[in-house]
Amino acid sequence: GESVGLHLPTLSVQEGDNSIINCAYSNSASDYFIWYKQESGKGPQFIIDIRSNMDKRQGQRVTVLLNKTVKHLSLQIAATQPGDSAVYFCATRPGNTGKLIFGQGTTLQVKP
Amino acid sequence: GAGVSQSPSNKVTEKGKDVELRCDPISGHTALYWYRQSLGQGLEFLIYFQGNSAPDKSGLPSDRFSAERTGGSVSTLTIQRTQQEDSAVYLCASSREDTQYFGPGTRLTVL
Repeated sequence: GESVGLHLPTLSVQEGDNSIINCAYSNSASDYFIWYKQESGKGPQFIIDIRSNMDKRQGQRVTVLLNKTVKHLSLQIAATQPGDSAVYFCATRPGNTGKLIFGQGTTLQVKP
Repeated sequence: GAGVSQSPSNKVTEKGKDVELRCDPISGHTALYWYRQSLGQGLEFLIYFQGNSAPDKSGLPSDRFSAERTGGSVSTLTIQRTQQEDSAVYLCASSREDTQYFGPGTRLTVL
């Protein structure tokens, strides 16, 4: 079946450093990819998304990179801040449906 | 503006009881989704409504689970004869195009 996996369950970084969270997916028909941030007790919050016809997209302090050849997705956070501490989920959308397939999440810990 | 809202925020029920969870999507969003999140896990797709099309029910784990969307807006997820393994956070999302925006979830605890 389809799967989405994150390379590291936990990532610890120093405040001010850049963070990179990686994700691998299995379905080559996926046409849309999205990153969410989830704080304790809250619903997932949209960060950034990218369609399969792109390989890079930038937002405010965040960049998403897509490598369809190796089915790899990454989220880069520049100048990581304590407020970035949360669980980050990647998700993909199979091309023939609206549902999202989620990875297990990476917990980002920011050390002051 | 107003986001997706869900009620109740917490629900504790006894095994065997039925529960109803409500979702109010963002105004103007044509698609509505239900997901389930078990403790420390990623989200698991349950069901998806798009406009007037037949819903995609492929993620519902058993026939005890059902959902309705009335008038193309509010949705209710019903779980009949709840079991302890149904304990989870139930999340609703809505979208107008690609991006799905989530509500805060309903935490269901089955004793």
